[in-house]
Amino acid sequence: GQQVMQIPQYQHVQEGEDFTTYCNSSTTLSNIQWYKQRPGGHPVFLIQLVKSGEVKKQKRLTFQFGEAKKNSSLHITATQTTDVGTYFCAGLPGTYKYIFGTGTRLKVLA
Amino acid sequence: DGGITQSPKYLFRKEGQNVTLSCEQNLNHDAMYWYRQDPGQGLRLIYYSQIVNDFQKGDIAEGYSVSREKKESFPLTVTSAQKNPTAFYLCASSLGGRNQPQHFGDGTRLSIL
Repeated sequence: GQQVMQIPQYQHVQEGEDFTTYCNSSTTLSNIQWYKQRPGGHPVFLIQLVKSGEVKKQKRLTFQFGEAKKNSSLHITATQTTDVGTYFCAGLPGTYKYIFGTGTRLKVLA
Repeated sequence: DGGITQSPKYLFRKEGQNVTLSCEQNLNHDAMYWYRQDPGQGLRLIYYSQIVNDFQKGDIAEGYSVSREKKESFPLTVTSAQKNPTAFYLCASSLGGRNQPQHFGDGTRLSIL
């Protein structure tokens, strides 16, 4: 079936280091969304990418959508303790059903 | 404030019992979703509804049932046929259609006694 793989599963970084998580889909996606879930909380929408090769920035966060619309990445520059949480990608291969990646749990050591 | 309310926050079920998880939204969203979250497995779609009185099975619908009689409400029943119901259940809603972000409730954690 359709899958969205996300790596790495866990990442521990020192505060100030950069962090990247990657999503790879087995099929072409119409769009991809990114969510952040703080420990004990619920996923919160960060951004959506629709166009092939699209790059969007939110302060220290940079999101990319691959040219083939089958992969995406989230890069955080100079991590802070407030970045702690699990980051999920969610791809839309069809019309309404998003497929969530397994998530990358980020820990930031002060 | 507009949002999604899930209740209860914690729920305990005895073997063989059906339980119903509540999800209410006042965002005037057309679409609503139920996800199950297990450690290390991300979110898996149970059921979704794009409009009142209509819903579709997601990837793991077996042992679950839903109804969508009102736009604001999308309750999920975990039946005794669900053999491994212990999990964190998340309800979400969106404006519907493609390219819309999902807004999540705080979740219900279900455990088996």
